[in-house]
Amino acid sequence: EILLTQSPATLSVSPGERATLSCRASQSVSGNLAWYQQKPGQSPRLLIYGASTRATGIPARFSGSGSGTEFTLTINSLQSEDFAIYYCQHYNNWWTFGQGTKVEIK
Amino acid sequence: EVQLVESGGGLVQPGGSLRLSCAASGFTFSNSEMNWVRQAPGKGLERVSYISSSGNTIYYADSVKGRFTISRDNAKNSLYLQMSSLRAEDTAVYYCARDRYMAGVDYWGQGTLVTVSS
Repeated sequence: EILLTQSPATLSVSPGERATLSCRASQSVSGNLAWYQQKPGQSPRLLIYGASTRATGIPARFSGSGSGTEFTLTINSLQSEDFAIYYCQHYNNWWTFGQGTKVEIK
Repeated sequence: EVQLVESGGGLVQPGGSLRLSCAASGFTFSNSEMNWVRQAPGKGLERVSYISSSGNTIYYADSVKGRFTISRDNAKNSLYLQMSSLRAEDTAVYYCARDRYMAGVDYWGQGTLVTVSS
């Protein structure tokens, strides 16, 4: 089973600043990686798939990069609605999720 | 509008059984690969089971293999999860989720809470 490790566990950011989240895979997943946002009491929402393709309706301030074992989600100019938990997920065969990064208001 | 509506959650004693349902609308269910994903309170996401569009291919997480059974009825646009021999560690919100092949999970239900406790 491929393990995904996200860092940091918590990221404190001021509104308007940039947030950079990391996801590392225990073995290569090529570009088969997605990012999700989850707010309290809500279902996850797909942000990015294919490591760098934004899902329908996702603002351009969200961007993904990476391949193989190292991936990054960047959120430019954080808005109040962006404070949430973010999960990465690989979909090579049996999917797994990272443990999540909480983006909180600094 | 796409909707996935789960039902059937609740409180059940250890060793008991429960059947979850998911009613789909707003997309072509019969062409969609579907999953159950769960989230224990305050924890991360775990894929529990997968079923192909035809129902011919099924996978389970090791943690539920032999205890849970996934099924679907394409005529009724519905997905099911039969859970038996439930344990305290099965306590979670269970989400029905549409899998776009090699492109992530684009549709999620609102979830149904399963609590296993005496």
